[in-house]
Amino acid sequence: NAGVTQTPKFQVLKTGQSMTLQCAQDMNHNSMYWYRQDPGMGLRLIYYSASEGTTDKGEVPNGYNVSRLNKREFSLRLESAAPSQTSVYFCASSEYGRAASGNTIYFGEGSWLTVV
Amino acid sequence: QKEVEQDPGPLSVPEGAIVSLNCTYSNSAFQYFMWYRQYSRKGPELLMYTYSSGNKEDGRFTAQVDKSSKYISLFIRDSQPSDSATYLCAMSGAGNTDKLIFGTGTRLQVFP
Repeated sequence: NAGVTQTPKFQVLKTGQSMTLQCAQDMNHNSMYWYRQDPGMGLRLIYYSASEGTTDKGEVPNGYNVSRLNKREFSLRLESAAPSQTSVYFCASSEYGRAASGNTIYFGEGSWLTVV
Repeated sequence: QKEVEQDPGPLSVPEGAIVSLNCTYSNSAFQYFMWYRQYSRKGPELLMYTYSSGNKEDGRFTAQVDKSSKYISLFIRDSQPSDSATYLCAMSGAGNTDKLIFGTGTRLQVFP
């Protein structure tokens, strides 16, 4: 059971380059999320998709775009990478769209991105 | 002021010790409280979940919520080296659009 799989695991980009982080889940979950984790800042929501066909901005969406390709896949794109986007990125999924009601969010193993 | 405050640690304890991890928060609308464990170079995994005030026990772990003080705790009894990880608290309100707000995490080291 793979759960949430994200690729690549590590990436170094030059300022201004673009890239896409891929994410897929095999739990038939409706909702998917992209977070970034920075020292002293905790996990911050970039974008989320409550269900297939919908996407919404989170706390820190600037500089990112997302695509909910189908129920399984949710990609995060950096159009023009900046050093401030150096971070660890986590994709996550949950059965329902609400964070409440004990709705368990399952995380991938993370993608380490460095922008130089 | 952050909505959720958590001491980053590190907290270093000997094997067998009782560990207390804590978070404070400012938003009185929070109703759901969770603790996630994150091993190095891994994603967070849900450890405990509680609703509103009170205690919840699961094996060596006890989660406690005091809404009047806006304070939550995670206790680990008989701590093991395998408990060495970063522990993140998380909480949300009860609304349909409420999102999960995470603390910054406390790094715990349990030495043999």
